[in-house]
Amino acid sequence: GENVEQHPSTLSVQEGDSAVIKCTYSDSASNYFPWYKQELGKRPQLIIDIRSNVGEKKDQRIAVTLNKTAKHFSLHITETQPEDSAVYFCAPNGNQFYFGTGTSLTVIP
Amino acid sequence: EPEVTQTPSHQVTQMGQEVILRCVPISNHLYFYWYRQILGQKVEFLVSFYNNEISEKSEIFDDQFSVERPDGSNFTLKIRSTKLEDSAMYFCASSEALRGYEQYFGPGTRLTVT
Repeated sequence: GENVEQHPSTLSVQEGDSAVIKCTYSDSASNYFPWYKQELGKRPQLIIDIRSNVGEKKDQRIAVTLNKTAKHFSLHITETQPEDSAVYFCAPNGNQFYFGTGTSLTVIP
Repeated sequence: EPEVTQTPSHQVTQMGQEVILRCVPISNHLYFYWYRQILGQKVEFLVSFYNNEISEKSEIFDDQFSVERPDGSNFTLKIRSTKLEDSAMYFCASSEALRGYEQYFGPGTRLTVT
């Protein structure tokens, strides 16, 4: 089956610093690459996504970069704020629907 | 903005009992999903559903699980004989298409098997 890994598993940053989370996958059929944010006790919510014909996409403080050859994509958050603290999951959309292992981000005020 | 809804928010059941978890997907969506999340772990895909039949299912979705769209709005997950390890948060999701489209998640049903 699909192997989806995220690194790091936990990340602590000072408020205002940047955070980068990497997702690696194995299914070469994947063509849609979303990132979800899940706050404690809440549902996963899409924060940004990218499709395989685009290498980078940015939405204000959040960006996603894709390297389809190397089979990885990354979430970049700049100027982090305490409300960015959550668990982030990648979920590359290939032949099945696998979520990554999750990254717990803590932004320290 | 339309949302996926789920009922109940919390279900407690005894081992061996049957449970039915209910979901109302977004009305113009055609694809429906069930996921589960054991506390502190990742989200795991169970099944996708389209046109009144299962599109795909994972290894977790064995014979004790079934899904149904009994009417034009509800989408249900039935667990026939619950086990302790079925305790988890179950999320329903829906999307406009199967791949390449955002999945909208419901708030989840916390299932506790005692």
